[in-house]
Amino acid sequence: DADVTQTPRNRITKTGKRIMLECSQTKGHDRMYWYRQDPGLGLRLIYYSFDVKDINKGEISDGYSVSRQAQAKFSLSLESAIPNQTALYFCATSARTAYNEQFFGPGTRLTVL
Amino acid sequence: AQRVTQPEKLLSVFKGAPVELKCNYSYSGSPELFWYVQYSRQRLQLLLRHISRESIKGFTADLNKGETSFHLKKPFAQEEDSAMYYCALRTPGGSYIPTFGRGTSLIVHP
Repeated sequence: DADVTQTPRNRITKTGKRIMLECSQTKGHDRMYWYRQDPGLGLRLIYYSFDVKDINKGEISDGYSVSRQAQAKFSLSLESAIPNQTALYFCATSARTAYNEQFFGPGTRLTVL
Repeated sequence: AQRVTQPEKLLSVFKGAPVELKCNYSYSGSPELFWYVQYSRQRLQLLLRHISRESIKGFTADLNKGETSFHLKKPFAQEEDSAMYYCALRTPGGSYIPTFGRGTSLIVHP
């Protein structure tokens, strides 16, 4: 089944630690996205990538970095985690054409103590 | 810049009652609009898109360009409709990056 997967699904870490969240997809989509979801704030875009060589900042990229290792893989890193980065993180993919939906991963729940 | 407003954080109804989740957007052109749904402990998934003009799980949404709205409606709510609902907007000619509203949590009581 073509899908979007995320690892880990849950992570608890301490302030100052480096964390990497990974996303893989088998949908063959060029476009990949990282969002964070916070209660009352909805989904906010962190970074997006249109292909391996095209990476762009979203509305809340400070404190995050990304790597597009291949068409199918898009990783999100927190270089030095802080408590207000505690959130649910979603990866998503989409095709490049109009009216195409986004397909979301199951999410990673990150807690920074 | 485009914006999506979902004015209600929480909508609580009883089973069998009609439900309307509001979505207003700011964009002067012809937008692409979507509703996504997130059931408890599940990933977000597309519910419907305005271009399809379809009814999914009894839900419909009509694009009203005059009022810049894309409200989601269902005549008779079911308990299994309880979920988080997000309205999303994409603008053609741009980079097709969607803008999401803040979401509305729908609770349907038995």
